[in-house]
Amino acid sequence: QKEVEQDPGPLSVPEGAIVSLNCTYSNSAFQYFMWYRQYSRKGPELLMYTYSSGNKEDGRFTAQVDKSSKYISLFIRDSQPSDSATYLCAMSLGVSTSYGKLTFGQGTILTVHP
Amino acid sequence: GAVVSQHPSWVICKSGTSVKIECRSLDFQATTMFWYRQFPKQSLMLMATSNEGSKATYEQGVEKDKFLINHASLTLSTLTVTSAHPEDSSFYICSASAQISGNTIYFGEGSWLTVV
Repeated sequence: QKEVEQDPGPLSVPEGAIVSLNCTYSNSAFQYFMWYRQYSRKGPELLMYTYSSGNKEDGRFTAQVDKSSKYISLFIRDSQPSDSATYLCAMSLGVSTSYGKLTFGQGTILTVHP
Repeated sequence: GAVVSQHPSWVICKSGTSVKIECRSLDFQATTMFWYRQFPKQSLMLMATSNEGSKATYEQGVEKDKFLINHASLTLSTLTVTSAHPEDSSFYICSASAQISGNTIYFGEGSWLTVV
């Protein structure tokens, strides 16, 4: 079993739709949770970063963390064609120099069509 | 915001030669940097943790003699793929943690390596 599971999709939605992306994990020691967006042949770009369970909102993006269920989500409201990319969830133990040592999900390929 | 730069962004080399990839933190100091590898349509896999002034820590299954990592300064880490083979062709990405930005982790733009 992988430490972090993420449905690779692909996911195709019409412009303006609400997108829901999810990851589950098995290691309860993960403390930090991130969502990255990656365009083709580019490095990952940080979208959201959360530490505790609950919701965090930033513009059209909302990140949810449920540590009891080992489940995290990213919601994108009013999706745009420019949101088309691969979305990666990532997690960290958050201990000293291991903080930046991330375990990634497989990534979900999202296409938002006009 | 903090920026991590990688160079070169893409490189083609002959089988058996060595290739060096640089990772620089442009506006912050990074005592620790990380190197990942990403094969097409797959996720990022951590290869090693690069520590300034000391030896890198490699993940299980990563050959330390093949993937040489040097972190000589607080703003530069290098990854050298020695005696490269076609199976080493991949997307190599580095990251660094920026304490000035609340420990946000930034990634470089990545380096595409093709071994022919």
